[in-house]
Amino acid sequence: DTEVTQTPKHLVMGMTNKKSLKCEQHMGHRAMYWYKQKAKKPPELMFVYSYEKLSINESVPSRFSPECPNSSLLNLHLHALQPEDSALYLCASSQPQSLSGSSYEQYFGPGTRLTVT
Amino acid sequence: AQTVTQSQPEMSVQEAETVTLSCTYDTSESDYYLFWYKQPPSRQMILVIRQEAYKQQNATENRFSVNFQKAAKSFSLKISDSQLGDAAMYFCAYRSEGGRDDKIIFGKGTRLHILP
Repeated sequence: DTEVTQTPKHLVMGMTNKKSLKCEQHMGHRAMYWYKQKAKKPPELMFVYSYEKLSINESVPSRFSPECPNSSLLNLHLHALQPEDSALYLCASSQPQSLSGSSYEQYFGPGTRLTVT
Repeated sequence: AQTVTQSQPEMSVQEAETVTLSCTYDTSESDYYLFWYKQPPSRQMILVIRQEAYKQQNATENRFSVNFQKAAKSFSLKISDSQLGDAAMYFCAYRSEGGRDDKIIFGKGTRLHILP
């Protein structure tokens, strides 16, 4: 199973709302990622979790709050977003760098299309 | 710091023809992985092909093959017998082996159009 699932597929939220994006993988990967992608651009890394601990935060505003409840799940909590936060949010997973013998390719979910009104 | 450059923002190819997408990268590391990812319009990003830097043999996956030139830091993707379903954004990506973090570095992408 090489599937990463994300819910919801689409989300429209106002600037005062609180919502969460969810991501799940069952490939036994111990690194999970959140990316933001604007149209016709490469994904921009937001957060990395390695062995359920936050290892990278790419100076993301605090209105985005990640959470990794267990090795299969990754959440992104959203609060007081701005219209410029509208984008495709991608989750990915891979084996972590610290695990030797792996090839480290990332598997991506289909994304959540977020619109902030 | 490592960088990945895709110099062709857009390309077009006739159906059934062959097309090559260019990618160059800069690194001081000797051990790393290179990837090509495909992202069709409004669809999921998928891994097309992977190359380990220590392997001299170029990777091949069906109609997709790479030309990996380690000394030149070049990693091009050749698509043979292009099909309409190959239309997508293609991203070249780099990842260290044994490095300090789990980042993948993406190029800016090449949008490939397939002409019927």
